[in-house]
Amino acid sequence: GAVVSQHPSRVICKSGTSVKIECRSLDFQATTMFWYRQFPKKSLMLMATSNEGSKATYEQGVEKDKFLINHASLTLSTLTVTSAHPEDSSFYICSASTATDSYEQYFGPGTRLTVT
Amino acid sequence: AQSVTQPDIHITVSEGASLELRCNYSYGATPYLFWYVQSPGQGLQLLLKYFSGDTLVQGIKGFEAEFKRSQSSFNLRKPSVHWSDAAEYFCAVAHTGGFKTIFGAGTRLFVKA
Repeated sequence: GAVVSQHPSRVICKSGTSVKIECRSLDFQATTMFWYRQFPKKSLMLMATSNEGSKATYEQGVEKDKFLINHASLTLSTLTVTSAHPEDSSFYICSASTATDSYEQYFGPGTRLTVT
Repeated sequence: AQSVTQPDIHITVSEGASLELRCNYSYGATPYLFWYVQSPGQGLQLLLKYFSGDTLVQGIKGFEAEFKRSQSSFNLRKPSVHWSDAAEYFCAVAHTGGFKTIFGAGTRLFVKA
């Protein structure tokens, strides 16, 4: 149980285009979802926290207009990187938690974004 | 402010040897503590967690961790390492006032034959 999927697993896009990453909780309802960014050989950096049906809460230094987060249902959150630039290339990981086990997060497998 | 410190950037152990990965945290109250493992290019898998109760926590894959309040530590141990344990290990602390989880910088484990 508690499986989280991400799609796509890898994506290459051209500079200036937008790319959407999906995060789905497959067998549970995720009241809260998190988006992290991980640089090579580095730890996870929390980008934003989203609750179903409400606006995401972004961490300091994360541009909300660049990284659009939508949490439209209890099983789906999306991260859209708008007007991508090479410096946006990174490994993006989502996680989800439930109302009954709110301090434990279930992680997706990650999405490798490369902007050329 | 909360913080998590993993003093060792990388550790190399021989297969079959014991392992201890260090983790220290800074937090005002009793934290919720986690250890995760990440294989290259993969997401994170939960090894074990501590919320309350017995300070020695058993996890998956033969791992255990001990919460020591006096030392603000939550070190991960395994009595006999297998080659498949080679990965990145992250210690994390959850904010009890919300959902935010702070991750340590990670420790890369190398296992030599």
